Amino acid sequence: AQSVTQLGSHVSVSEGALVLLRCNYSSSVPPYLFWYVQYPNQGLQLLLKYTTGATLVKGINGFEAEFKKSETSFHLTKPSAHMSDAAEYFCAVSDINSFGNEKLTFGTGTRLTIIP
Amino acid sequence: EPEVTQTPSHQVTQMGQEVILRCVPISNHLYFYWYRQILGQKVEFLVSFYNNEISEKSEIFDDQFSVERPDGSNFTLKIRSTKLEDSAMYFCASAERGGGRSEAFFGQGTRLTVV
Repeated sequence: AQSVTQLGSHVSVSEGALVLLRCNYSSSVPPYLFWYVQYPNQGLQLLLKYTTGATLVKGINGFEAEFKKSETSFHLTKPSAHMSDAAEYFCAVSDINSFGNEKLTFGTGTRLTIIP
Repeated sequence: EPEVTQTPSHQVTQMGQEVILRCVPISNHLYFYWYRQILGQKVEFLVSFYNNEISEKSEIFDDQFSVERPDGSNFTLKIRSTKLEDSAMYFCASAERGGGRSEAFFGQGTRLTVV
């Protein structure tokens, strides 16, 4: 079964500082990996997705993540935090069934706070 | 920009009552999902739906739960007899294609409170 572990339920960084949100996964097959963001009172929005190919994936709002198979990790980074980045971030791994439905297994989430 | 719409945004119901959570997926999407998030816990998969039938369901999705796409636009989640532990945020999602070839778009969620 797939699983995802996010280290740190709360992360605080200063505006302009590096953002690093950690995610480790467990998967019996080559994984599809995702980062979603949830702003207050909104749904989940896809930040970026890794399927195959280049291990460094660039997403929206200046975020990127690197797939490291040897470490079973998919950490999310952003070089310079902005106040608007304050949100809940979820790492997820997918499992595709015979019908083509893609079931997402999420981590517990990391709440990112930006300090002015 | 097309979006997945869920109604109501918040529903309060008494234990034992039936509730129907409604979702309008993006119009050309073919794959549909319900997830839930109990307060303070992770987002959990409930059910996936394709070609007018359930393609996969989790252990959570027991006989008290059902889904339906009654009119080709709405996608509903029904809980027949609510329990206190059903209190959660319920998210609907849809995708245009399967096999991981397109992004799943999520609605804003319905917060269900069972009292």
